Amino acid sequence: KAGVTQTPRYLIKTRGQQVTLSCSPISGHRSVSWYQQTPGQGLQFLFEYFSETQRNKGNFPGRFSGRQFSNSRSEMNVSTLELGDSALYLCASSYLQGARGSYNEQFFGPGTRLTVL
Amino acid sequence: KQEVTQIPAALSVPEGENLVLNCSFTDSAIYNLQWFRQDPGKGLTSLLLIQSSQREQTSGRLNASLDKSSGRSTLYIAASQPGDSATYLCAASNYGGSQGNLIFGKGTKLSVKP
Repeated sequence: KAGVTQTPRYLIKTRGQQVTLSCSPISGHRSVSWYQQTPGQGLQFLFEYFSETQRNKGNFPGRFSGRQFSNSRSEMNVSTLELGDSALYLCASSYLQGARGSYNEQFFGPGTRLTVL
Repeated sequence: KQEVTQIPAALSVPEGENLVLNCSFTDSAIYNLQWFRQDPGKGLTSLLLIQSSQREQTSGRLNASLDKSSGRSTLYIAASQPGDSATYLCAASNYGGSQGNLIFGKGTKLSVKP
């Protein structure tokens, strides 16, 4: 079974631009979560989607947004890029059976390395 | 608010040594706790997941334990090898919130010397 894939793997943008990152979950997984990883802050939760609905959102400004499609693929968008947005963006998928009865093990993709100049 | 701490931040051991990595969390109402490995510049590889009702999980040379009452989890690595060199992260998910929201520690960077 193929793992979580993320595209592109590397991106270089300049301040003020916007960027869209894509994540394809493991086949059959319906939950997708996004995380930002920086050397200073570590891994921080951005948002989670399940069945095209955002279930939870982390403490990030509104410039960070996302969506999920009917095939469970997800995209996240960052508008008006700032230098501090340079980070590794990780996507994780899991199979959620419902509120209970699921281990909810998270499987991560390789990440997208975003550099903002 | 759940906080996850990992001590030490870095650890260097000779090959063949058994070692323990520590993870502590502040809120015992966890849904599960997951251990990951991250190689430089790469994504996270899931190692072990312990459900809140479990005390430990084992996979090969790895054993993870969970003690909710003390707010601690440990990852035991037996007979360490140079290939085990990586950063090890623990993450908790809580009841009452979205289980897709993992709260991570800052990790322990492990170096196993030949």
